[in-house]
Amino acid sequence: QQQVKQSPQSLIVQKGGISIINCAYENTAFDYFPWYQQFPGKGPALLIAIRPDVSEKKEGRFTISFNKSAKQFSLHIMDSQPGDSATYFCAAGPTGTASKLTFGTGTRLQVTL
Amino acid sequence: KAGVTQTPRYLIKTRGQQVTLSCSPISGHRSVSWYQQTPGQGLQFLFEYFSETQRNKGNFPGRFSGRQFSNSRSEMNVSTLELGDSALYLCASSLGGLQNYEQYFGPGTRLTVT
Repeated sequence: QQQVKQSPQSLIVQKGGISIINCAYENTAFDYFPWYQQFPGKGPALLIAIRPDVSEKKEGRFTISFNKSAKQFSLHIMDSQPGDSATYFCAAGPTGTASKLTFGTGTRLQVTL
Repeated sequence: KAGVTQTPRYLIKTRGQQVTLSCSPISGHRSVSWYQQTPGQGLQFLFEYFSETQRNKGNFPGRFSGRQFSNSRSEMNVSTLELGDSALYLCASSLGGLQNYEQYFGPGTRLTVT
């Protein structure tokens, strides 16, 4: 029940296209949903996060869509650029336990020219 | 503001030895969490320290332990190392309040056990 399922495992998108990564969870105690970007040899960097009281959050080219009833959330990267090529992780954090994040398995994104 | 720093960045140890990793959080952050990242298991939560007390714990054996000092710096210790402990160990810091969920990760310590 603690799992966060992430798909796809890998994704190839052309420059300028839209990258979409999906996550699903089962634990209804989760109430914080961040996305992290990780480049090789680096730690994960916080990209954007959402709470269940909103269905969408946008920051620049990155948008999180959240469907509470389906227990799913997704990351959309608009106008994808080669510099976006990285591994993306979704995560979920439970109510009242700020730091105990459960991570998805990651999506390796490659943006081609 | 300086980011989260971790030392050392790389470490090679022999099975059966013990190791201590260090993490300095972002200035003003009082919570430090530790995660293990491996290709097989992904990113897994080890434990969190807040105000020198362990506040949360993941599902790792007792060989994994940690502590936090009064300046919020944290150390993680792994005793009796096993080959399977080879991983990237990440620490993340946050303000620590239960409503402040943003965690910022350091670059990690790459531990290789031979």
